[in-house]
Amino acid sequence: DQQVKQNSPSLSVQEGRISILNCDYTNSMFDYFLWYKKYPAEGPTFLISISSIKDKNEDGRFTVFLNKSAKHLSLHIVPSQPGDSAVYFCAASDGGGGADGLTFGKGTHLIIQP
Amino acid sequence: EAGVAQSPRYKIIEKRQSVAFWCNPISGHATLYWYQQILGQGPKLLIQFQNNGVVDDSQLPKDRFSAERLKGVDSTLKIQPAKLEDSAVYLCASSLGQGLLYFGPGTRLTVT
Repeated sequence: DQQVKQNSPSLSVQEGRISILNCDYTNSMFDYFLWYKKYPAEGPTFLISISSIKDKNEDGRFTVFLNKSAKHLSLHIVPSQPGDSAVYFCAASDGGGGADGLTFGKGTHLIIQP
Repeated sequence: EAGVAQSPRYKIIEKRQSVAFWCNPISGHATLYWYQQILGQGPKLLIQFQNNGVVDDSQLPKDRFSAERLKGVDSTLKIQPAKLEDSAVYLCASSLGQGLLYFGPGTRLTVT
């Protein structure tokens, strides 16, 4: 039973265009959402997060949108750059009782084409 | 600031053998996590420590996996005996407890 779903295993985008990565979740107790970026042979690195009390958070070229009614979030990267090529994981936490370990999706492999 | 350290980076063992992984979290981070990432999947939480106490080990296969965090700093994760399906990357992460996790580079385990 996957509580965090990333239905696109891969996405190819031209350099300079917008990349949109999607994530759906089923657990209504999730209240904090994060995006992590992972390069081969490295651990995931934090990219951007959003609390359930917000619907948008922006950091430079990265914007995360949260639609709680649809249990959907998306990551927008504008403009896309070659260094953005990586696997992107959506993660969520319910923070219940101090057990705030993240639940991850399967990831989306973003490929930025020159 | 030094990141999360893990060793070894790679390990190859035969099934039924035992193996241990080591993790040193970011200084001052009270919360430590071990995750298992199987190829093509997202990381899955195995165990979470707060200082040297276990907060969540609900997904840890306790018949073969064990973990400890002595003195609330370093941690070791052990598998005994290993099975073929344990082949994965084992990621250690630490946190100040606000939901933002910092991951180490991982240990890639291959069980043959």
